[in-house]
Amino acid sequence: EADIYQTPRYLVIGTGKKITLECSQTMGHDKMYWYQQDPGMELHLIHYSYGVNSTEKGDLSSESTVSRIRTEHFPLTLESARPSHTSQYLCASSPTGGGGYTFGSGTRLTVV
Amino acid sequence: AQSVAQPEDQVNVAEGNPLTVKCTYSVSGNPYLFWYVQYPNRGLQFLLKYITGDNLVKGSYGFEAEFNKSQTSFHLKKPSALVSDSALYFCAVRPGGATNKLIFGTGTLLAVQP
Repeated sequence: EADIYQTPRYLVIGTGKKITLECSQTMGHDKMYWYQQDPGMELHLIHYSYGVNSTEKGDLSSESTVSRIRTEHFPLTLESARPSHTSQYLCASSPTGGGGYTFGSGTRLTVV
Repeated sequence: AQSVAQPEDQVNVAEGNPLTVKCTYSVSGNPYLFWYVQYPNRGLQFLLKYITGDNLVKGSYGFEAEFNKSQTSFHLKKPSALVSDSALYFCAVRPGGATNKLIFGTGTLLAVQP
């Protein structure tokens, strides 16, 4: 079944560690997105990609980086995690030409 | 600036009563409109969308939404609320034109009391 997958679901990690949050989709969507969602509920776009080798920063400045080497894969990396990075991270994808987004289940990151 | 507003942070309703979650927007062109629901510790799930045609759109779990062009609104409704409808609801708009990024509202927490 076509879907979008995020791993891990939950991650607790120490300050200064490097982490990569994985996001993969099997729907053949060209466009992919990363959102950060704080306990205040609002969604903040931090990165997006419109295709392979194309990445852009979103509306909210983030210390994370992303890559898009394959259509189906859009990982997010934090080189040095800090407590301020504690949040839920949501990955989404959408087809070319419009329509809505399909979201993954999210990764809840806690940096201690 | 293009924006989506969900004026209520929280909506409280008794089980069995009708519910409305409000959404208004200010975007260019003819927008595509969406509603998503988020349960605790989960991603967003698609509920329904309006692109064109009948202003009343029916979606998952008995929800519906009415597109009102003159009022630039897209309120989410359900005739009879269930406790299991308690969740966070997001309105989203895709402005007309070449951009494909959705603009999300800030979310409304729906609490249905038994």
